Amino acid sequence: DTGVSQDPRHKITKRGQNVTFRCDPISEHNRLYWYRQTLGQGPEFLTYFQNEAQLEKSRLLSDRFSAERPKGSFSTLEIQRTEQGDSAMYLCASSYMQSNTEAFFGQGTRLTVV
Amino acid sequence: DQQVKQNSPSLSVQEGRISILNCDYTNSMFDYFLWYKKYPAEGPTFLISISSIKDKNEDGRFTVFLNKSAKHLSLHIVPSQPGDSAVYFCAASAYGGATNKLIFGTGTLLAVQP
Repeated sequence: DTGVSQDPRHKITKRGQNVTFRCDPISEHNRLYWYRQTLGQGPEFLTYFQNEAQLEKSRLLSDRFSAERPKGSFSTLEIQRTEQGDSAMYLCASSYMQSNTEAFFGQGTRLTVV
Repeated sequence: DQQVKQNSPSLSVQEGRISILNCDYTNSMFDYFLWYKKYPAEGPTFLISISSIKDKNEDGRFTVFLNKSAKHLSLHIVPSQPGDSAVYFCAASAYGGATNKLIFGTGTLLAVQP
């Protein structure tokens, strides 16, 4: 297992289109997180899964955003009707279930909405 | 409401010298702190962490110090190497939040001059 994998690495889309990103976590990790990073800021928490259950969503995650983790393995993050403000780096991370353990990040998907 | 603050956007040091990166936090519920390193167009890479029951943790050239009363932590890199040049993010999480979600600072760009 080489770590957290995200696909695609880059996505350019026209405003109003839908996009979907995929994340494959480290296989033995129960927890999976999505973060978003914009220029000059640190990553901001979006949502979190423990196995297949989505247990927390940030208020940053508007109704146009939806995330799934079927069968507790890979996860997808979909953005509907993209807006220019959605342009950002979308980062996926995974970790073991116990408290106080580090999360390992993927390389991210850079989304540009034109 | 920036709960984790990195007040120095950038830092420049000479190769071989010590780099000291600082981080302040406001939420007294935080009890686990991490440092991540990030290269452009890549995801954050975990460096080192510290639990609130400790005041120091060391891993090779990297040492993290925690001052709970001051709500302050710092990362020391000795000796600094040109390959250490990157953005460094401080992050914190709260035990009992059940998610281990991370709250990040805005990052410090470290430049190590040969």
